Amino acid sequence: GNSVTQMEGPVTLSEEAFLTINCTYTATGYPSLFWYVQYPGEGLQLLLKATKADDKGSNKGFEATYRKETTSFHLEKGSVQVSDSAVYFCALGGSARQLTFGSGTQLTVLP
Amino acid sequence: KAGVTQTPRYLIKTRGQQVTLSCSPISGHRSVSWYQQTPGQGLQFLFEYFSETQRNKGNFPGRFSGRQFSNSRSEMNVSTLELGDSALYLCASSLGTSGRETQYFGPGTRLLVL
Repeated sequence: GNSVTQMEGPVTLSEEAFLTINCTYTATGYPSLFWYVQYPGEGLQLLLKATKADDKGSNKGFEATYRKETTSFHLEKGSVQVSDSAVYFCALGGSARQLTFGSGTQLTVLP
Repeated sequence: KAGVTQTPRYLIKTRGQQVTLSCSPISGHRSVSWYQQTPGQGLQFLFEYFSETQRNKGNFPGRFSGRQFSNSRSEMNVSTLELGDSALYLCASSLGTSGRETQYFGPGTRLLVL
């Protein structure tokens, strides 16, 4: 079956630091890959997505590239802000009509 | 376009009771999925509905059920509540044409079982 392995947290960075959150997946077929973000007390917000190999999703300074050869979809941001503090989830959507999520990574950015 | 809405936002119940949660999808979306989020188990898929039919179901006991109405609104029901059912229940909607498409989430209903 499908599975997503996500970098364990929590991650604490200083403002303007570089962020990488690793995500690898196992799937049959050709899934879509997503990053969602969850702020305290809220639901999940779509951050970015990629639907095929070598696609790069980007939004609000965040980027992730769909790497089929390494089955990875790592999230990166060049300069994080305090407002980026949240929990980040990597997810996979395939033929099963359900999202499979990673365990989530708590990010805290200090001023 | 309005997002996914869920009601109520918060619920407190006692063991043995039952609860019904409601979800209104984005206009034009015909698929509604439900997920349970807990600190221990993370995000787990409950079920997915499309055009009033359940197309997929996760590994949850029969106490968890759902339905979808002709206007695509969905409800989920949990009967004989247990302490372990305390969780954030998230609803997501999508067009429903493919499992690879984006799902958009509501704010969730936080259920506390005492």
